[in-house]
Order: sequence, then structure tokens, then C-alpha cells
Amino acid sequence: KNEVEQSPQNLTAQEGEFITINCSYSVGISALHWLQQHPGGGIVSLFMLSSGKKKHGRLIATINIQEKHSSLHITASHPRDSAVYICAVRSIRVFGAGTILRVKS
Amino acid sequence: NAGVTQTPKFQVLKTGQSMTLQCAQDMNHEYMSWYRQDPGMGLRLIHYSVGAGITDQGEVPNGYNVSRSTTEDFPLRLLSAAPSQTSVYFCASSYSMTDTQYFGPGTRLTVL
Repeated sequence: KNEVEQSPQNLTAQEGEFITINCSYSVGISALHWLQQHPGGGIVSLFMLSSGKKKHGRLIATINIQEKHSSLHITASHPRDSAVYICAVRSIRVFGAGTILRVKS
Repeated sequence: NAGVTQTPKFQVLKTGQSMTLQCAQDMNHEYMSWYRQDPGMGLRLIHYSVGAGITDQGEVPNGYNVSRSTTEDFPLRLLSAAPSQTSVYFCASSYSMTDTQYFGPGTRLTVL
């Protein structure tokens, strides 16, 4: 079993929809990272979470340490949000497989 | 600040050739790392460094060497390229192992 599992693998949404991407992990962690990889290939760190919730613009990340689960939410989705979203643990040494998000206009 | 820079952007090698992928950062970050990304495998850590003179292996270190003689630079050496090393390589840096990492633009390597 992988240490980090993401769901869904693929997600297609209409512009304006609320999107949720999930990440579950099986190891003890001090922090979980959410990364965004654009179609051009560049990788950007979105959030680093050790507890609770963080918000940046239309992006919200939450983590429940007891349940070993994190979610990434996108409110009012837009085509420019189309990307691969990756969660990572253990100081960005172990990665989920990524969620491919496509937002249609 | 240029952030994290990687050269070259693209490279084609023949099996058995050696080469060095360059990575540099101008943010005075202590922690630097190299990843490879393959379709269906996701990102995997090759080597990392917690400071000048200190390096350690990640998940997939075989066939790669690293050194960290300065804080700014963290080159990745392929000793004898193999087709299995065809991949996209990303370098990243951060203040410490537990901080947010900044990624370079990547190097797309093809080994024939």
C-alpha cells in the first residue's frame, strides 16, 4: 500500500464549481505539503500544513492529523486552475500520485 | 532574485555518456534536493543536501552522484547514462528540510 493516496486521480469540472481533492497518508508526519504542477511542467508549493486550515485566495487546505487526511478545496474554479495537484509528506520526500484537474469554461 | 535555476532545459544523451545537471539558488537556502518525475511513477527523491558539504541519498539514488561544495550550487551527475534515466529532473531548495520548497523549471533528459 502506498504511504500517500490521493483521490480522485482525474477530475473534470465546470467553471465556477467547488472542487475538493483528497489526500490520505499512513505514516506519522509533522507536516503535509500541497504542490501544483502546471501544464508547462513548473511546480509551485501551495501550502504546508501541520494542523487546521490555511487559505490563499480561492484555495483552502485542511488537515486532520488524527484521521491522517488532508483536503485541498478550490472555490469558484476557473480554467486557469487546470493543473496537477500533488500532496507530499515527510519533508516532500514521499508523494501522492497526483490529481489531474481540468476546469472547462 | 532568480530563485532556483536549472541548466540545461533539454538534453539528449547516448547510453554510456556522462553529464552534469546544474542547479543553483540565490536565496541562501540550506536544503537542496533533486527529484525525477516519470509518467505513472510521480515524483521521486534522488539525493538531498542539508547544507554545504553534506549530502544523502533519497529513494532512487543509483546511477547518480551529487556534491555540495557551496550553499548555492547542487549539481547532479549521471555517471554512465542509461535509457532508464530518461526523465524530467527537478531541483528544489528551502531554508530547511521542513520548510516550503521552491522548485526549478526542470530538465528534460532523454537517453537513447
